[in-house]
Amino acid sequence: GQQVMQIPQYQHVQEGEDFTTYCNSSTTLSNIQWYKQRPGGHPVFLIQLVKSGEVKKQKRLTFQFGEAKKNSSLHITATQTTDVGTYFCAAYSGAGSYQLTFGKGTKLSVIP
Amino acid sequence: EPEVTQTPSHQVTQMGQEVILRCVPISNHLYFYWYRQILGQKVEFLVSFYNNEISEKSEIFDDQFSVERPDGSNFTLKIRSTKLEDSAMYFCASSSGGPHNSPLHFGNGTRLTVT
Repeated sequence: GQQVMQIPQYQHVQEGEDFTTYCNSSTTLSNIQWYKQRPGGHPVFLIQLVKSGEVKKQKRLTFQFGEAKKNSSLHITATQTTDVGTYFCAAYSGAGSYQLTFGKGTKLSVIP
Repeated sequence: EPEVTQTPSHQVTQMGQEVILRCVPISNHLYFYWYRQILGQKVEFLVSFYNNEISEKSEIFDDQFSVERPDGSNFTLKIRSTKLEDSAMYFCASSSGGPHNSPLHFGNGTRLTVT
């Protein structure tokens, strides 16, 4: 099935610093989704990227989809303690697949 | 905002016992899913369900697992004979549209502990 590799596994930042997590696939993706999971919580959908080179912003969060549709990134500007959690990228295993495959996630800790 | 609800929040069972995890998807959603997450690890797909049948399942979803939509609101996951390695958080999810078109809405999960 589809594999998405995500790095780094952990990231500790001082509050106010920026944070980036990266997601890579060996195959071209039809789209990619990002989810956030707070400690003890459930995954919550953040965004879906579909087009090559697409960039979307949600306040301090910027999501990018690579030109080749094989990689994606999530960048958070000026982190806050409310950003704490694990960020997952996820992609479908194939064109007709119902299986959303998650990356291993990047666990973000923010030091106040 | 509508939510996916799951019960119980925590289930402890002995190895070899059957468990049923329950979910009430968002009412106008048509696609239903079960995922699991072993502590500290990634979220893994188990099964998807659409139009009253399984649309896709993963290698994890072997003969010990089954799903059912017994009425118009509930969606259940049954594990027939639990093993220690079944201990995990089980998330139910639903979506309004098909894959690639709609995000998944996850419930709060059921933490299953097999002793």
